[in-house]
Amino acid sequence: DAGITQSPRYKITETGRQVTLMCHQTWSHSYMFWYRQDLGHGLRLIYYSAAADITDKGEVPDGYVVSRSKTENFPLTLESATRSQTSVYFCASSVSGDEQFFGPGTRLTVL
Amino acid sequence: GENVEQHPSTLSVQEGDSAVIKCTYSDSASNYFPWYKQELGKGPQLIIDIRSNVGEKKDQRIAVTLNKTAKHFSLHITETQPEDSAVYFCAATSGDAGNMLTFGGGTRLMVKP
Repeated sequence: DAGITQSPRYKITETGRQVTLMCHQTWSHSYMFWYRQDLGHGLRLIYYSAAADITDKGEVPDGYVVSRSKTENFPLTLESATRSQTSVYFCASSVSGDEQFFGPGTRLTVL
Repeated sequence: GENVEQHPSTLSVQEGDSAVIKCTYSDSASNYFPWYKQELGKGPQLIIDIRSNVGEKKDQRIAVTLNKTAKHFSLHITETQPEDSAVYFCAATSGDAGNMLTFGGGTRLMVKP
């Protein structure tokens, strides 16, 4: 039972480059989420999806794009990475939106 | 929107002692309050949760209490062990955001052997 996985686990990129972080879950959960975790800010919601082809903004969506063509996948794209997007990114999934299960995270560094 | 405050930001206890972490929330419509444990280099792990129709919930050495009137909830860990050392996050539903979670800032718990 793989649960929820994220790839890559570590990524270093340069300012202005496009980066896509992948999230895959095997539970067929309806809801999926992307958070970023920074020192002093805890976990902040970037985007979430209630079902395939349905996405909505969270607290800090600027500079990010998401899509959800399949229930099990929820990729997060930084179209033009900036240094302020250096962070640890967590994906989560949930049956109903409240009880959320998190992936292992992707540590992204933007130089 | 919802605002969740968590205290203390760091907590150091001796092995075997109890630890208490407190959170307050602002949205009276919130009805779900989970607690997550995050170990170094890992994702947050759900350890216990409580819904607004319950005042207290226990699971072995951990318990959560909820005071809806005062809008605060607490995590209690008894007989702490070194493996309890981690960062703990509380969260509450955001009534105006489709029941999404808003997280507190986290508490770093250190259990000294």
